[in-house]
Amino acid sequence: EAQVTQNPRYLITVTGKKLTVTCSQNMNHEYMSWYRQDPGLGLRQIYYSMNVEVTDKGDVPEGYKVSRKEKRNFPLILESPSPNQTSLYFCASSYEAGGLGEQFFGPGTRLTVL
Amino acid sequence: QKEVEQDPGPLSVPEGAIVSLNCTYSNSAFQYFMWYRQYSRKGPELLMYTYSSGNKEDGRFTAQVDKSSKYISLFIRDSQPSDSATYLCAMTSNFGNEKLTFGTGTRLTIIP
Repeated sequence: EAQVTQNPRYLITVTGKKLTVTCSQNMNHEYMSWYRQDPGLGLRQIYYSMNVEVTDKGDVPEGYKVSRKEKRNFPLILESPSPNQTSLYFCASSYEAGGLGEQFFGPGTRLTVL
Repeated sequence: QKEVEQDPGPLSVPEGAIVSLNCTYSNSAFQYFMWYRQYSRKGPELLMYTYSSGNKEDGRFTAQVDKSSKYISLFIRDSQPSDSATYLCAMTSNFGNEKLTFGTGTRLTIIP
C-alpha cells in the first residue's frame, strides 16, 4: 500500500530534550516536506527536500533541522524543543516539486512540549 | 493580510443540503488551486485540483475558480455524513518550486 508513515504519532516531552520525528514514504517520491498545523494558522511548511542531500527552508524553519540521506526517509529533528513548538506535524511527499503535484500526507504527529 | 483567507467555520448543515466552501486570495500569480479534505486525526488528502479559471466537477463535488475576483469555491451536492471533515483550500503559482499555500481550513459537519 502506497503510504507515508510517521513515528511517533503522539509525543509529550520537556523543554530542551532533543527529539526526532521519523517520516518514510514507499512511493519513490523525490519531493518531501514537513508542515506544522496550528489552529487559526493552518498548514505551514517547515522544511522541504527536492531529493537526497537537497533540503531547504520553508516558512517556519526556526528551531528545526532535517536531513535526507535516503530517498524514502526525511526525519524532522528538534534539537532543543520549546513550548511554542507544541503542534500537529505532518510529513508529505509528492512526485512533483513544489506545490504542483498531489501531496501525500502522513497521519500526523501530535507533539506537546512542556 | 494573509495570502489565503478561509472562513474557519464551524459549518453545520443537514444531510442532503448543498454545501458551499470558499477561499479568497491576494497573490495574482496563483494558477493552480486545490481542495484537500482532512478527517479527524488523519492527514489531508487531495479532493480536487483545478488550473486557472473555470469549473471542474467530480461526482458530487464541483470546484470553481474565479481568478478575476481571486475567489475559489467548493460545492458539495447531496451532502452525506461521511463528508464531515475539515476542508482546506491550497494554491500555488507555476514558478519553479513554489510551495503550496494553504488556507486555515473550514470544519464541516453534516447532520443526519
